[in-house]
Amino acid sequence: DQQVKQNSPSLSVQEGRISILNCDYTNSMFDYFLWYKKYPAEGPTFLISISSIKDKNEDGRFTVFLNKSAKHLSLHIVPSQPGDSAVYFCAAKAGGGNKLTFGTGTQLKVEL
Amino acid sequence: DTAVSQTPKYLVTQMGNDKSIKCEQNLGHDTMYWYKQDSKKFLKIMFSYNNKELIINETVPNRFSPKSPDKAHLNLHINSLELGDSAVYFCASSQGDSRYYEQYFGPGTRLTVT
Repeated sequence: DQQVKQNSPSLSVQEGRISILNCDYTNSMFDYFLWYKKYPAEGPTFLISISSIKDKNEDGRFTVFLNKSAKHLSLHIVPSQPGDSAVYFCAAKAGGGNKLTFGTGTQLKVEL
Repeated sequence: DTAVSQTPKYLVTQMGNDKSIKCEQNLGHDTMYWYKQDSKKFLKIMFSYNNKELIINETVPNRFSPKSPDKAHLNLHINSLELGDSAVYFCASSQGDSRYYEQYFGPGTRLTVT
């Protein structure tokens, strides 16, 4: 049973436009959410996070939105750059402890 | 000056063999993890150690045994390798502080069992 889902396996966006990556979750105990970026043959790198007490967190070109009632979060990248082309994973944590549950990832391709 | 390093990066071996993957972090973190990314790209936690103590042990076959000689190292030993063990294994670390949940990943070890 996959508690964190990224239903779009891939997304293609033109350079300079907005990229919106989506993530849905089913576990209402999740209270902290993270986005990771992964290039081929490398490990995931932390991008941005959000606590369940907030509905938005922004860091430069990256903004994460959380809609708790819909159990949905999204990552906005604006403007998108070719270097943003990677696989993006959302992850979630429930309560105490450090266990992260990951989604299956979305391959973002930013085209010139 | 790699923060989380793993060796080897690639490992090709035959069924039935025993192999180890090593992980080291120089971030001063208290907690380390092993993840498995299977052919469907699903990243799933296997184990977690905090200050050399096992704190997360997911449903993993007994053939997998983590060992943490100190808080900067977490090794993964796999006995009697099977075809289904083929995957990319990632090591990660985090501060272990309840304010910081970000985990930092190594580059991965691609294990191929033939």
